[in-house]
Amino acid sequence: AQSVTQLDSQVPVFEEAPVELRCNYSSSVSVYLFWYVQYPNQGLQLLLKYLSGSTLVKGINGFEAEFNKSQTSFHLRKPSVHISDTAEYFCAVSDNAGNNRKLIWGLGTSLAVNP
Amino acid sequence: DVKVTQSSRYLVKRTGEKVFLECVQDMDHENMFWYRQDPGLGLRLIYFSYDVKMKEKGDIPEGYSVSREKKERFSLILESASTNQTSMYLCASSLYPMTVNYGYTFGSGTRLTVV
Repeated sequence: AQSVTQLDSQVPVFEEAPVELRCNYSSSVSVYLFWYVQYPNQGLQLLLKYLSGSTLVKGINGFEAEFNKSQTSFHLRKPSVHISDTAEYFCAVSDNAGNNRKLIWGLGTSLAVNP
Repeated sequence: DVKVTQSSRYLVKRTGEKVFLECVQDMDHENMFWYRQDPGLGLRLIYFSYDVKMKEKGDIPEGYSVSREKKERFSLILESASTNQTSMYLCASSLYPMTVNYGYTFGSGTRLTVV
């Protein structure tokens, strides 16, 4: 069965510092990968996705992620964070074994950007 | 702009009440989902529907039911609300078979408190 592991439940960082949020997945089939962001008291919105092609994917708000098939990872990065990036971040993988109808979610990483 | 609308942002109900959470999407999406979100537990799938009048149980369906009489509307029903159903409820929709291309679109969430 497919699964997603977000390796850090909380990541504190100072403003303007770089950040990496780690995501590993397990799957025996090809996957499609997503990162979503949830700002306080809001729903989730798509940050970026990997479907195929270039392994470096750029998303909104200056975030990017790199797909590494050999390490089964899809880590999210930003070179310089802002206070406004404080949010919950979720990694997800498509359930290719289930007719592609569902996404399988990690437990989330809480990013706290401090001044 | 495409939208998933949840009828209430905050809801307070009494133990034993029958509770309806409504979700409407305007994107002609086939798939619709109900999740609950609790601290440290991530997103847990309650039910999903892939067509009108069709539904499938998710990971935690106990104590819940759903209704999808029209394509755009997916309702979550708590038959007899209990305090352990206090949570954030998120509705999402996706296009099939394009879930893998576009992911999910989420509503803003309903924070339900059962007292």
